[in-house]
Amino acid sequence: TQLLEQSPQFLSIQEGENLTVYCNSSSVFSSLQWYRQEPGEGPVLLVTVVTGGEVKKLKRLTFQFGDARKDSSLHITAAQPGDTGLYLCAGPESDSNYQLIWGAGTKLIIKP
Amino acid sequence: NAGVTQTPKFQVLKTGQSMTLQCAQDMNHEYMSWYRQDPGMGLRLIHYSVGAGITDQGEVPNGYNVSRSTTEDFPLRLLSAAPSQTSVYFCASKTGVGNSPLHFGNGTRLTVT
Repeated sequence: TQLLEQSPQFLSIQEGENLTVYCNSSSVFSSLQWYRQEPGEGPVLLVTVVTGGEVKKLKRLTFQFGDARKDSSLHITAAQPGDTGLYLCAGPESDSNYQLIWGAGTKLIIKP
Repeated sequence: NAGVTQTPKFQVLKTGQSMTLQCAQDMNHEYMSWYRQDPGMGLRLIHYSVGAGITDQGEVPNGYNVSRSTTEDFPLRLLSAAPSQTSVYFCASKTGVGNSPLHFGNGTRLTVT
């Protein structure tokens, strides 16, 4: 059974601090996606990582896919209140074009 | 540029009542799905469809029915609401192309008393 575990479950930090959240599995994934969900809205895709060791940057957000494609991390530099939200990672189920395995998410609060 | 549209935004039901949550997408996506989201439990798949006339069960299908008569619409029916169905429900759609993103609606917050 493919599982994705996210840590920490909850993180509350001050504006301007740096942080890293993690998405780990004992299974190999062909790719991983990161979504951000703001209160009252549905999740929105931030990035997809496909190649082992890949690093993608989205402004102050840096996403990394582990060399063995079993884990991923999201690093935020100089966090801002607008980064507040629930960060979810997801990976495709084996042998499916459609189904995703979801992590339970990291709830991030950035205090001004 | 509507994307995925869900109605209603909020709903309160009494135990035993039935209702339909509506979902429509205008992106011609073949795949549509319903999730429920509960605190600490992440997103759990209820039902999904890979095209008009095709539906299948997800992880937590009991108490829910779906149909897919058109590519655009994928309604979720609660047959006899129970307090355990209190949750936030999301409809989502995507194409079948590799790593295409899953597009979500803004959710329906359902309370069953």
